[in-house]
Amino acid sequence: QVQMVQSGAEVKAPGASVKVSCKASGYTFTGHFIHWVRQAPGPGLEWMGWINPNTGVTNHAQKFQGRVTMTRDTSISTAYMELSSLRSDDTALYFCARVRTKDWALDAFDMWGQGTMITVSS
Amino acid sequence: DIQLTQSPSTLSASLGDSVTITCRASQNINSWLAWYQQKPGKAPKLLMYKASSSESGVPSRFSGSGSGTEFTLTISSLQPDDFATYYCQQYSSASRTFGQGTKVEIK
Repeated sequence: QVQMVQSGAEVKAPGASVKVSCKASGYTFTGHFIHWVRQAPGPGLEWMGWINPNTGVTNHAQKFQGRVTMTRDTSISTAYMELSSLRSDDTALYFCARVRTKDWALDAFDMWGQGTMITVSS
Repeated sequence: DIQLTQSPSTLSASLGDSVTITCRASQNINSWLAWYQQKPGKAPKLLMYKASSSESGVPSRFSGSGSGTEFTLTISSLQPDDFATYYCQQYSSASRTFGQGTKVEIK
C-alpha cells in the first residue's frame, strides 16, 4: 500500500537548521510531485513548496525564500525539506504530501506523511 | 497569491444535521479546488477534488460543488466521525493555498 513515512520529532535552537525526510513506498516515487505543508500549533495549514521527484525541480512559497531547500534521493524514494535560520515561529508540525495524479502537477494531495514536529526553542 | 476565505470558522451542529461550508477564492480558480478533513494531531484526509469529485472511499454524505470563485462542501446527516476541521485548498497555480479552516463541533 502507498505510504509516506517521515522522520522523527526534533528540537532545534534558534538560528539552526533542520532537515526532515519523507520516505515513500508502494508507488513509483518519480511519478508524483511531493509538497510540504506545515501547521503551527492550532488550526491552519500553510503550504511551503513542492519538488518534482523526477527532475528535482522545486518551487516554494515566497515567504520561505532563501531559507528552504527541497531535495530528493530517488535511489531510496525519499524527499527532504531543509529549513534554515530557524525562529520560534517555525515551531510546527511539518507534513509531506503526494499529488494524486501521476505525472500531473495540478491536483490535490491524496497521501500524506504522519507529520514531523519541529520545536524551535533555546 | 490566491486567497481562500472559508465560512463559518466554527459550526455547531447535531448528529443527523446537514451542514454546508463555503470557500471563496480571491480570483477565478475554475474547479481546481480540494476539500480535506483533519482531526487533531493527524494528517489531513482528502475528501473532494476538482470541486465536486469524491476521493475513493469517502462516504456519499459528503458532496462538493461550485466553480470559479465560490465553492461549497456539504455534509448531509452528520455522523460522529464527521466532527473535525475542514479545509479547502486551491491548486490552480504552482503556488497552493488553504482556507483558514472550519471546525465542525457538536452542539
